[in-house]
Amino acid sequence: NAGVMQNPRHLVRRRGQEARLRCSPMKGHSHVYWYRQLPEEGLKFMVYLQKENIIDESGMPKERFSAEFPKEGPSILRIQQVVRGDSAAYFCASSPSASRDTGELFFGEGSRLTVL
Amino acid sequence: DAKTTQPNSMESNEEEPVHLPCNHSTISGTDYIHWYRQLPSQGPEYVIHGLTSNVNNRMASLAIAEDRKSSTLILHRATLRDAAVYYCILRFEYGNKLVFGAGTILRVKS
Repeated sequence: NAGVMQNPRHLVRRRGQEARLRCSPMKGHSHVYWYRQLPEEGLKFMVYLQKENIIDESGMPKERFSAEFPKEGPSILRIQQVVRGDSAAYFCASSPSASRDTGELFFGEGSRLTVL
Repeated sequence: DAKTTQPNSMESNEEEPVHLPCNHSTISGTDYIHWYRQLPSQGPEYVIHGLTSNVNNRMASLAIAEDRKSSTLILHRATLRDAAVYYCILRFEYGNKLVFGAGTILRVKS
């Protein structure tokens, strides 16, 4: 059973371009979470999605950032008109359910965005 | 933000046990205590979780105080590969998501 797959692992963009980060959750998982980790800083929650629905986007910047998790295909984190401050590692995690007894979130290896 | 308090860093010798403390004095009755770790340049990795009773798994043990206001992650024999940032998190404090604090940087000396 493959783990959470993120791609690309490394992405370089120039200021003003768009960045698209993809996350394929583990098989059977319908909950996806995105986190951002700025250099030398901690992990910050961005958004929590279930299939076709955004459940919690309290950590998403109000502009330029969007996320989706369509019925078919991976979850996408989209950053429009990137700026240097967007340079960070973006981690995706998945879980099978929202049960209180659910143990763990499974994290991917991350996508590292560098904005020139 | 996260309602847990952990030491900024700890150091251990290889092959010795490590006790990583966490204070969560405002924990509610339904909050689960979760531990994750993040190795350098990797995504976070689940370690263990518990509610009231002590828990053991192949990676570690979790000792939870009787009043649940603190817990301790125990690595029985630290190895160099255990060097990581360890996060203590109260799951469901903020809904289904995990809210990470600063964690404890564990350094393991050979």
